[in-house]
Amino acid sequence: GENVEQHPSTLSVQEGDSAVIKCTYSDSASNYFPWYKQELGKRPQLIIDIRSNVGEKKDQRIAVTLNKTAKHFSLHITETQPEDSAVYFCAARGSGNTPLVFGKGTRLSVIA
Amino acid sequence: NAGVTQTPKFQVLKTGQSMTLQCAQDMNHNSMYWYRQDPGMGLRLIYYSASEGTTDKGEVPNGYNVSRLNKREFSLRLESAAPSQTSVYFCASAAGTSGNTGELFFGEGSRLTVL
Repeated sequence: GENVEQHPSTLSVQEGDSAVIKCTYSDSASNYFPWYKQELGKRPQLIIDIRSNVGEKKDQRIAVTLNKTAKHFSLHITETQPEDSAVYFCAARGSGNTPLVFGKGTRLSVIA
Repeated sequence: NAGVTQTPKFQVLKTGQSMTLQCAQDMNHNSMYWYRQDPGMGLRLIYYSASEGTTDKGEVPNGYNVSRLNKREFSLRLESAAPSQTSVYFCASAAGTSGNTGELFFGEGSRLTVL
């Protein structure tokens, strides 16, 4: 089945700097790659997703890139703000009718 | 519009006790999921239901059972709780089936402690 590795597990950046979180997946047939944000004590919520027919997608300060050949995808957050502090999860959906598989998460701390 | 509602939010059990976590969604979604979240382990899928009337095992199903009672409700049962089942449990739903879900909508979570 699908296996998703996520790095780093923790990340600290200064406010205004950029943050990059990287994930790799194992199933070359995977076709959907969402990112979820979980604030402390809250539920995970979708912030951006990308499908395998697209290489990059942007939404304001957030962007996701996908490299199908290397089987990795990344989340980029520019001009980080304290409210970006949270745990971020990447996920991938493998072939067939398999559910999403999540990475282990990255705890991002934005230092004011 | 409540979205995904889980009960209870907190529960303390003794080893060997049983309990059922309830989940209901009001978005007319087809698929529903139960995840557990442990520190450093991410979100691990316990069981899912791709559509009303079907259930399937996820990554960590041992010690759990589920029931898709109807399209709205998906319950998770612990028959004989163990300390290793201490975790935060999230129910989620999505409009599509498991192979084409789109966005997952999560409940607020249920914090379970097994002593």
